Amino acid sequence: SQKIEQNSEALNIQEGKTATLTCNYTNYSPAYLQWYRQDPGRGPVFLLLIRENEKEKRKERLKVTFDTTLKQSLFHITASQPADSATYLCALDPGQAGTALIFGKGTTLSVSS
Amino acid sequence: DAGITQSPRYKITETGRQVTLMCHQTWSHSYMFWYRQDLGHGLRLIYYSAAADITDKGEVPDGYVVSRSKTENFPLTLESATRSQTSVYFCATTGSISGNTIYFGEGSWLTVV
Repeated sequence: SQKIEQNSEALNIQEGKTATLTCNYTNYSPAYLQWYRQDPGRGPVFLLLIRENEKEKRKERLKVTFDTTLKQSLFHITASQPADSATYLCALDPGQAGTALIFGKGTTLSVSS
Repeated sequence: DAGITQSPRYKITETGRQVTLMCHQTWSHSYMFWYRQDLGHGLRLIYYSAAADITDKGEVPDGYVVSRSKTENFPLTLESATRSQTSVYFCATTGSISGNTIYFGEGSWLTVV
């Protein structure tokens, strides 16, 4: 069966360090992979989308990589700040009509000052 | 204001009661989704709709009914609420099923007692 896993439920880092979150999937060949941020009590908010033929995508302090051979995406936040503390969700986008996003369970990032 | 809104935001109901969660979007997006989010499970798709009068089941549709008579509205009904349906429900919308940002509502917290 299709499976998407985020490497850990929680990640604690110091302010200024780079946070790296991992998303692994099996039995799947997604056309895209998306990352969302979710704050407590709020709905998820879109951050980045990366296509299967893209190796890397950047947006300000965020960087996403997509390795279709390893079936893995890495999400990096450089120079992390306490305001980056949130839950980050990865989602597989199969790129097929009639199939919705499949979400991982999320990784909760805590950045301490 | 443009966007996606859910109501009610918080609801407590009794087992066996019928409950309807409302979702409204102002972008005229084709696709709308209902997810539920539970600890240990992440976001799971209940139902989605590709257009008015077109709906399809997701991963966990049992016990839920949806309709889409107008493009902008996508209500979710629990016909006879059970305790296992205590959850946070998120409505979402996008213009295209693939490769597009998905916009989430703020969530509806439902407690079934």
